Amino acid sequence: AQSVAQPEDQVNVAEGNPLTVKCTYSVSGNPYLFWYVQYPNRGLQFLLKYITGDNLVKGSYGFEAEFNKSQTSFHLKKPSALVSDSALYFCAVRDMVSSASKIIFGSGTRLSIRP
Amino acid sequence: DSGVTQTPKHLITATGQRVTLRCSPRSGDLSVYWYQQSLDQGLQFLIQYYNGEERAKGNILERFSAQQFPDLHSELNLSSLELGDSALYFCASSDRSGDPADTQYFGPGTRLTVL
Repeated sequence: AQSVAQPEDQVNVAEGNPLTVKCTYSVSGNPYLFWYVQYPNRGLQFLLKYITGDNLVKGSYGFEAEFNKSQTSFHLKKPSALVSDSALYFCAVRDMVSSASKIIFGSGTRLSIRP
Repeated sequence: DSGVTQTPKHLITATGQRVTLRCSPRSGDLSVYWYQQSLDQGLQFLIQYYNGEERAKGNILERFSAQQFPDLHSELNLSSLELGDSALYFCASSDRSGDPADTQYFGPGTRLTVL
């Protein structure tokens, strides 16, 4: 079965420090991976996606993600965290088995940036 | 702002009742997707419509149904509501169907509370 795992429920980082939000995946075939962010009382916002090509994907708000095929990981990173980055982050993968339309989401990681 | 709109923002109703959630996709998008976000189940795909036709089905209960109209807006109908149906319901849209590389853009959601 296709799935993504976010091993950390919460990540705490000081403002100005680098941040990493972890994600590992399990898929059949080539993975199509996404990161979304959910701010309080708002919908999910698309950050970035990996389809093919360069293993380092750049996205919105200064975020980037590193695709690592050997470790089946797609970690979200940012060099310098901002307090405004505090939100719930979801890693997701396209379900290539039952329906390519379907996105399977991880359980989410709450990122808290302290001033 | 993703360009996807959902109404209403909040809905409070009683068990056994029926409600309709509405979604307008981004301009030019032909696909509409519905997702449910609950504390115990996380984010789950319910159903997809493309240009008026059902294209993919996920974990959607028989009490739930959806449709997409000629103007491409979509409605999700929830009937015989139970306490466990309380959740945040998201609509997303994209310009294609069945392409794992396309991006789904999410609306702000409708928070349903069943009392």
